[in-house]
Amino acid sequence: GAVVSQHPSWVICKSGTSVKIECRSLDFQATTMFWYRQFPKQSLMLMATSNEGSKATYEQGVEKDKFLINHASLTLSTLTVTSAHPEDSSFYICSARDSGSGRRAKNIQYFGAGTRLSVL
Amino acid sequence: EDKVVQSPLSLVVHEGDTVTLNCSYEVTNFRSLLWYKQEKKAPTFLFMLTSSGIEKKSGRLSSILDKKELFSILNITATQTGDSAVYLCAGETSGSRLTFGEGTQLTVNP
Repeated sequence: GAVVSQHPSWVICKSGTSVKIECRSLDFQATTMFWYRQFPKQSLMLMATSNEGSKATYEQGVEKDKFLINHASLTLSTLTVTSAHPEDSSFYICSARDSGSGRRAKNIQYFGAGTRLSVL
Repeated sequence: EDKVVQSPLSLVVHEGDTVTLNCSYEVTNFRSLLWYKQEKKAPTFLFMLTSSGIEKKSGRLSSILDKKELFSILNITATQTGDSAVYLCAGETSGSRLTFGEGTQLTVNP
């Protein structure tokens, strides 16, 4: 249980185009999902917190108009990188917080497999 | 600003060795300390620690938290080549924000 699916796993796009990344919790509901960015050989940096039915909360230094987040349902959050540029090339990874049901522990964040974005 | 520091940054051992990975944290409104294993892409959950002094075990892996010293360790006994990965430590706030350390790259040679 507690599987998070992220799609696509790899995307190449031209500079100036927009790219949408999906994050789905497959077997649990997630009122809160998180988006991270990971540079090579560095750790995960939180970009924003996505709450179902409300606006996302962005970390300092992250442009909200650049990285649009939508959390329309309890199992889906999307990150759209608008007008992508080469400096946006990175590994983007989402997590979903399991509020805990039945035997599962509460408040654990489970991660998707990530999306490698390459902007030409 | 919240901060998590892991050491060592990399470690090379032989199969069968025991390793200890370290994590120190400074997290405002601290709720828990989490350990993840990242092999290629998705970090996979290992442990969540909320209370001091209570060891959590899963097979050959164990972890403990010291909330007074703001420190946690992850132990792996009888290491196997499949344990080779980056081990990430993260401090969680009461608002569910995770601050990750840089990770420890563990390489287990046959």
